[in-house]
Amino acid sequence: DAKTTQPPSMDCAEGRAANLPCNHSTISGNEYVYWYRQIHSQGPQYIIHGLKNNETNEMASLIITEDRKSSTLILPHATLRDTAVYYCIVKGTSGTYKYIFGTGTRLKVLA
Amino acid sequence: GAVVSQHPSWVICKSGTSVKIECRSLDFQATTMFWYRQFPKQSLMLMATSNEGSKATYEQGVEKDKFLINHASLTLSTLTVTSAHPEDSSFYICSARQGLTEAFFGQGTRLTVV
Repeated sequence: DAKTTQPPSMDCAEGRAANLPCNHSTISGNEYVYWYRQIHSQGPQYIIHGLKNNETNEMASLIITEDRKSSTLILPHATLRDTAVYYCIVKGTSGTYKYIFGTGTRLKVLA
Repeated sequence: GAVVSQHPSWVICKSGTSVKIECRSLDFQATTMFWYRQFPKQSLMLMATSNEGSKATYEQGVEKDKFLINHASLTLSTLTVTSAHPEDSSFYICSARQGLTEAFFGQGTRLTVV
């Protein structure tokens, strides 16, 4: 599975869009990009995933570049409850399908 | 999303005893379950992967005789920490997946060994 690189921390004003980048330059053709977040002392929460096309759900949008080497998770209107560590994971569809967590981005939403 | 439940949420045990943590998928059949460990201010570390009815596959450096994993049914996996010691104190998290869908995580179990 490809490795991901994320900034260690980011701040965002409440009500503004939070844009969290992820670099996955070694991603291969059959690997998906998954995003999870972990609020303090809880298990990770699934947010969204995609392969090539941009994806949107009730929680967030996922923008994947055309070369698929990077992606951005967008929280359109961040709230204080969005303060968490956000993990970008690249995972294939073959092998053991393991979810390997990197260090993630600690997002702090400021009032 | 699907619900994965862990029990207990926290447990304190004496050094040398064993403790069992349960992970249940409440509304789907989990063909694969994963167990993670997380130390304070660190990321999740994958310990093992288990498929229903098969022996678990442990990550390098994880002692299989110390961390016993059983995935006897499509809705239940257990992690038993045997002969626990203070250094085993950690936050243990399970996740479950049905087929190739996204994985869902339990709320975690905080183990303190005294």
